[in-house]
Amino acid sequence: DQQVKQNSPSLSVQEGRISILNCDYTNSMFDYFLWYKKYPAEGPTFLISISSIKDKNEDGRFTVFLNKSAKHLSLHIVPSQPGDSAVYFCAASPFNNDMRFGAGTRLTVKP
Amino acid sequence: DVKVTQSSRYLVKRTGEKVFLECVQDMDHENMFWYRQDPGLGLRLIYFSYDVKMKEKGDIPEGYSVSREKKERFSLILESASTNQTSMYLCASSSPGPLRPQHFGDGTRLSIL
Repeated sequence: DQQVKQNSPSLSVQEGRISILNCDYTNSMFDYFLWYKKYPAEGPTFLISISSIKDKNEDGRFTVFLNKSAKHLSLHIVPSQPGDSAVYFCAASPFNNDMRFGAGTRLTVKP
Repeated sequence: DVKVTQSSRYLVKRTGEKVFLECVQDMDHENMFWYRQDPGLGLRLIYFSYDVKMKEKGDIPEGYSVSREKKERFSLILESASTNQTSMYLCASSSPGPLRPQHFGDGTRLSIL
């Protein structure tokens, strides 16, 4: 049973617009959340993270929002660029570092 | 720059063979992980290790074992390969503690015929 769920397998947005990727989790022991980006033929690379004591973390064009009561987080990319086209994985972990990943969302940003 | 190196990008083996996937990291990380990535299922944790000679089962350890004799090296072993183990295998390493991002290798695409 997947503890981290990304229900949208794909998302397509226009360049310059906002991309919103969603993630839900079921395990209330998760306190740390990370987003990874993966290009074809490469391993995932870390993008941004948030701990459960915060509800928002921002890094340049990327913002992660956490709603702990709803067990939901989202990644906002503004403005979206064609180079952002990749598969995005949501990951969650308890106090230690063994993460659980979602199935991923393939983002396509059209010029 | 951090580096996680997986010994093979592509590997083809036969059913019943014993298969070794090797992973080496040069960041002196204590933690190392093995995942498999399958369409629609994302990354699933097979085994992980917090220290030399230590190992912990992940969510899908059946049919796999691991070895960590040196800090920088973490091996995944398929004891008797089966066709349902055809997958992309990813190795990662990290420092200990929460919110320490894992650094991934580029993966090994393993086909079992």
